[in-house]
Amino acid sequence: DTAVSQTPKYLVTQMGNDKSIKCEQNLGHDTMYWYKQDSKKFLKIMFSYNNKELIINETVPNRFSPKSPDKAHLNLHINSLELGDSAVYFCASSSGGGTYEQYFGPGTRLTVT
Amino acid sequence: GNSVTQMEGPVTLSEEAFLTINCTYTATGYPSLFWYVQYPGEGLQLLLKATKADDKGSNKGFEATYRKETTSFHLEKGSVQVSDSAVYFCALSHQAGTALIFGKGTTLSVSS
Repeated sequence: DTAVSQTPKYLVTQMGNDKSIKCEQNLGHDTMYWYKQDSKKFLKIMFSYNNKELIINETVPNRFSPKSPDKAHLNLHINSLELGDSAVYFCASSSGGGTYEQYFGPGTRLTVT
Repeated sequence: GNSVTQMEGPVTLSEEAFLTINCTYTATGYPSLFWYVQYPGEGLQLLLKATKADDKGSNKGFEATYRKETTSFHLEKGSVQVSDSAVYFCALSHQAGTALIFGKGTTLSVSS
């Protein structure tokens, strides 16, 4: 009965590689997000989608490309990985209709070597 | 712009001690306010929320009151347990479906 799930939980890869992180929510929410948590635990929004439409696109290198095949899924693809991309990436979702809280997945720890 | 400021950690307490983690915000209008908790190796869990001035959010013995006059949302618990050891984040949101703006997080360590 997992609400927001992400795969993989850990991802170790070398510089220059391309990787994807998948996110799925079974809450029936309309909006999904990607956040990045750096080594100091600071959380910052990267992207959000509402019903498969891109809503928020923060200042993120264009090596990062989100894709939402349907409103229950939001994937993050990263090209040409760099050392500075090492972080924990969290997916989240929220419903519409005036509720503001977001529900987070368990995170994907990406380590670029 | 909108921002959230939390007290610097780490906060180290003995079991059954009283906890306060300060949080102040800068925002126009009336944002919704949240406390999230991150246990080691896990994602963020919503701990409590308040959507308007003077609202008190509460959950698992934790409380926070939305104070518009002081733009604050301090987290309190009367008696902490070892299992409360985690990182606590204060956050705000102006509108449904928009990004949460987080404070830098406060690490709480409780010893028995």
